[in-house]
Parts: sequence; structure tokens; C-alpha cells
Amino acid sequence: ETGVTQSPTHLIKTRGQQVTLRCSSQSGHNTVSWYQQALGQGPQFIFQYYREEENGRGNFPPRFSGLQFPNYSSELNVNALELDDSALYLCASSPKAGNYGYTFGSGTRLTVV
Amino acid sequence: GEDVEQSLFLSVREGDSSVINCTYTDSSSTYLYWYKQEPGAGLQLLTYIFSNMDMKQDQRLTVLLNKKDKHLSLRIADTQTGDSAIYFCAESISPDDKIIFGKGTRLHILP
Repeated sequence: ETGVTQSPTHLIKTRGQQVTLRCSSQSGHNTVSWYQQALGQGPQFIFQYYREEENGRGNFPPRFSGLQFPNYSSELNVNALELDDSALYLCASSPKAGNYGYTFGSGTRLTVV
Repeated sequence: GEDVEQSLFLSVREGDSSVINCTYTDSSSTYLYWYKQEPGAGLQLLTYIFSNMDMKQDQRLTVLLNKKDKHLSLRIADTQTGDSAIYFCAESISPDDKIIFGKGTRLHILP
């Protein structure tokens, strides 16, 4: 059983650019959530995808968008990057029903300069 | 509103017990979690407790829940150097719902 894998592990972008982060969910998991963890903070919920549809969103602007694919892998896209978008982005998957807690990936460290 | 508060730092001698405390505000929280984050790693679910339980024990870990005061604690018995990490208290309304995290408590182990 493989866990949640995220790519890339580290990324540096310039303010105003766009970025795509990728996540492969754990086998058998059809729900994916994305979290942003700024330095010294706890993770903040961005949004969740269930069966390729957005299924809940946190307090993030529309320039944060996502996709979930038929194989349940997912992408997080951020447009018009700002310096404050620098953070660790965590992907988490769950099997939707009867699960107690998500399985988290190791994250992508995004630095915006 | 939704908020989870926890102290930011705890220092404990190796072999002693560590107790990390947390308070939450959402009375509809049904699931309460403790996650561990080691440097450069993602979040590892340590344990969870349902809101209708008072206590849960799992090897060296003991979770206590005071629902009236909305207070959750994690006790780690016989603390080891490998326990050095950031511990996040978290809550959700259902297991599929978004998880609200505290800012994390950094546990430092003294020799």
C-alpha cells in the first residue's frame, strides 16, 4: 500500500507567476484535501475534492484552484503568486467513508520571491 | 467560530512524561486528533478520540478529553528523543470534513 506522494518537493517561483502542485492519493482513497502551512503555523484548509468535484472550500481566494482526475490524483493551481503564498502545501487523502483522519503527504515547499 | 489553541513550546527530560494541552471552541466538533510532524515530513496521525469518550490509551499515548471545558490533552509516557517533533491538536465535525488545526506545540527533549 503506497502512501500519499506529492511533487515537486521544493519549488521557487517569482511573484506573479503561476504554479501547479501535484498529488497522488493513497490507493483506494477517493477524497483529496489540500492544506497550506505557513511557517510556524498549523495547516489551513484550502479545499477538498471528492470524485472529481470540489466538495468544500476554505477561506482562500479564487486564484487557488484545483482538479481531481479519474484516478483520484489531484492538482493544486495557484495563479498570480504573492509573497505570502510561500508555504508548505500538504495534500491529504481519505477513503471518504468510515475513515478517522486523513493520510498526509510530505508536502511541497513553495517559495515565492 | 472554529479555533484550536495550544501552547507553542514544551521542554521535557528524556524518560519523563510529556503533557501537551489544547482547547477548542467548536462545540459541534465530534472528532479530535493529535498529529505529529517531524522536520521535513508531513503530518502523521498519532491518535484520535470521539467526543463521546473521556479517555483513550494507545501504548505510550494517553488522550484525555474534557468536553465541558473543551479541553484535550496528550500524554506521552517515557518520552524519548524520537518524540522530538511538533504536535498538532486538531478537530473536525466528521471524519470526512475539513480539519481545523492548532498552531502546534514543539516538544523539545532534554538529555
